[in-house]
Amino acid sequence: GDSVTQMEGPVTLSEEAFLTINCTYTATGYPSLFWYVQYPGEGLQLLLKATKADDKGSNKGFEATYRKETTSFHLEKGSVQVSDSAVYFCALSDPLAGTALIFGKGTTLSVSS
Amino acid sequence: GAVVSQHPSRVICKSGTSVKIECRSLDFQATTMFWYRQFPKQSLMLMATSNEGSKATYEQGVEKDKFLINHASLTLSTLTVASAHPEDSSFYICSARVQGLGGYTFGSGTRLTVV
Repeated sequence: GDSVTQMEGPVTLSEEAFLTINCTYTATGYPSLFWYVQYPGEGLQLLLKATKADDKGSNKGFEATYRKETTSFHLEKGSVQVSDSAVYFCALSDPLAGTALIFGKGTTLSVSS
Repeated sequence: GAVVSQHPSRVICKSGTSVKIECRSLDFQATTMFWYRQFPKQSLMLMATSNEGSKATYEQGVEKDKFLINHASLTLSTLTVASAHPEDSSFYICSARVQGLGGYTFGSGTRLTVV
């Protein structure tokens, strides 16, 4: 079945460092891809998404490009802030089936000043 | 837009009691609601999918008699944890698929602690 694999965390960075969180997927069809962020004790917030190959999702300085050839959707940010400390989840969905999101295991990001 | 309101945010109950968690779509009609469970420092595990007016579809290994899901209207879905025990303590999150936007919106989650 469809699946998402994320890099293991935690990721610990200093403020203003460059961030990459790797995400690869396995899917039989043409999935939509998402990044969600979860702050401590809260639900999930959509960070960005992409619905077709070569699409780039971006929000709040974060970017991810839908790479069909490498089945990847890596999250990047040029300069992280302490407030970016959270858990980041990569996810996919089958837009035709309308089924639930399939999540990766999550990557904890900790940014220190 | 596309907000799901989830209540309560936190609940502590005694072992053996039942707890109801509500998710309401505030500005759209949620024909499908997904219920997840999240253990500490782990990912979200899909428990069940509920469609308005029909029985929920449970994932393998989820006890349908313990986790009762009702989706009686297009704006309300409920999860009742029946006769809760300490091992049911977890973070429960609902999610609705948002038609036309190709995305999903999430409730803020319910932290259940059974003592």
